[in-house]
Amino acid sequence: GQSLEQPSEVTAVEGAIVQINCTYQTSGFYGLSWYQQHDGGAPTFLSYNALDGLEETGRFSSFLSRSDSYGYLLLQELQMKDSASYFCAVRDGTGFQKLVFGTGTRLLVSP
Amino acid sequence: DVKVTQSSRYLVKRTGEKVFLECVQDMDHENMFWYRQDPGLGLRLIYFSYDVKMKEKGDIPEGYSVSREKKERFSLILESASTNQTSMYLCASSMGTNTDTQYFGPGTRLTVL
Repeated sequence: GQSLEQPSEVTAVEGAIVQINCTYQTSGFYGLSWYQQHDGGAPTFLSYNALDGLEETGRFSSFLSRSDSYGYLLLQELQMKDSASYFCAVRDGTGFQKLVFGTGTRLLVSP
Repeated sequence: DVKVTQSSRYLVKRTGEKVFLECVQDMDHENMFWYRQDPGLGLRLIYFSYDVKMKEKGDIPEGYSVSREKKERFSLILESASTNQTSMYLCASSMGTNTDTQYFGPGTRLTVL
């Protein structure tokens, strides 16, 4: 089966850079997704990496190393509104179109 | 703009009641999913559907059933609600071959007393 590990909580200050790591164990790998969820809100898709390397989308970047079964989400120029939970996810290895999510990293941004 | 809606934002039911949670998407997506979210446990898949009238069990299907009679609608049914089913329930949908991008509804916070 699939399993993912991420830190439970990360803290940082406004304007800083923070990295949220995700390691995974899979029986088949297609790519690594990242989702953001604010308290009381729905998860929203942030990024997807199928190939090794860095994908940049504005202040957010996501990195993947398939050989290390490792990825991270990099948030730059942190803002208070970035305080949220961040989940990494991989596709289930059974061939069905479903995802397995990590337990999430709560990011707290302070002034 | 893509949209997934859920029938209720908050719901309070009593133990033993039959509970229906409805989800509707307007994106013509093939795949639909029901998750429950509990503190410290992340998102756990209950059931999913990849086509009308098709359903597959997720990781925690016990105590739940689903129905997908139309492409845009996916219902989660708690046959006899129990207190351990108190949770946040999230519905999501995705395109047939791109399940890495899922679109979530706002969630239903269900309390079973």
